[in-house]
Amino acid sequence: QSALTQPASVSGSPGQSITISCTGTSSDVGTYNYVSWYQQHPGKAPKLIIYDVSNRPSGVSNRFSGSKSGNTASLTISGLQAEDEADYYCNSYTSSSTRVFGTGTRVTVL
Amino acid sequence: EVQLLESGGGLVQPGGSLRLSCAGSGFTFSSYAMNWVRQAPGKGLEWVSTISDSGDPTYYADSVKGRFAISRDNSKNTLYLQMNSLRAEDTAVYYCAKDRYNDYAADSWGQGTLVTVSS
Repeated sequence: QSALTQPASVSGSPGQSITISCTGTSSDVGTYNYVSWYQQHPGKAPKLIIYDVSNRPSGVSNRFSGSKSGNTASLTISGLQAEDEADYYCNSYTSSSTRVFGTGTRVTVL
Repeated sequence: EVQLLESGGGLVQPGGSLRLSCAGSGFTFSSYAMNWVRQAPGKGLEWVSTISDSGDPTYYADSVKGRFAISRDNSKNTLYLQMNSLRAEDTAVYYCAKDRYNDYAADSWGQGTLVTVSS
């Protein structure tokens, strides 16, 4: 149950687009389309922003989009805004019927 | 509106036990799988355990297997986490989280309860 690999930090200017990668293995990301993404602001509970690789829950901005290729999933934030500054975590279902989170990425809006 | 309210956190000595509870409301509790997720101070999220809507099966992270037990009482709309043989590395905020229906993504989270394992 090793954590999925994410970059520690990603930054961008307002209005720009950024992409966060999430690399797993053939036992999780590579096999299952059950990749989800969570946004967490300091001191707050996580919030689901993408489920099943590329689906957005109701109420989540369409500036957030997800995709997957092989063992790597990606989250793209378009039109970066100050309120997007937060920590982001990916999560995947695994072949052991467990779940695994990514290492987390701090997004900074310059 | 979905609400999840955790309770039971606190300070416990190494080797001790603690039981967390999570009361759910605003949804049909018995229809959804539920999870416990923890976050050590200044660290990332760690999945701990999942329980199906009926209570069986259950799943655990290797780090807690054999020490923690997840359970639920659907008549009381409450999720539990029994934590035994606690270690310093179990110190964290523990969140309960509800899965999407028939899916593997947590769409609602509680506010978390802090567990501190220290002598």
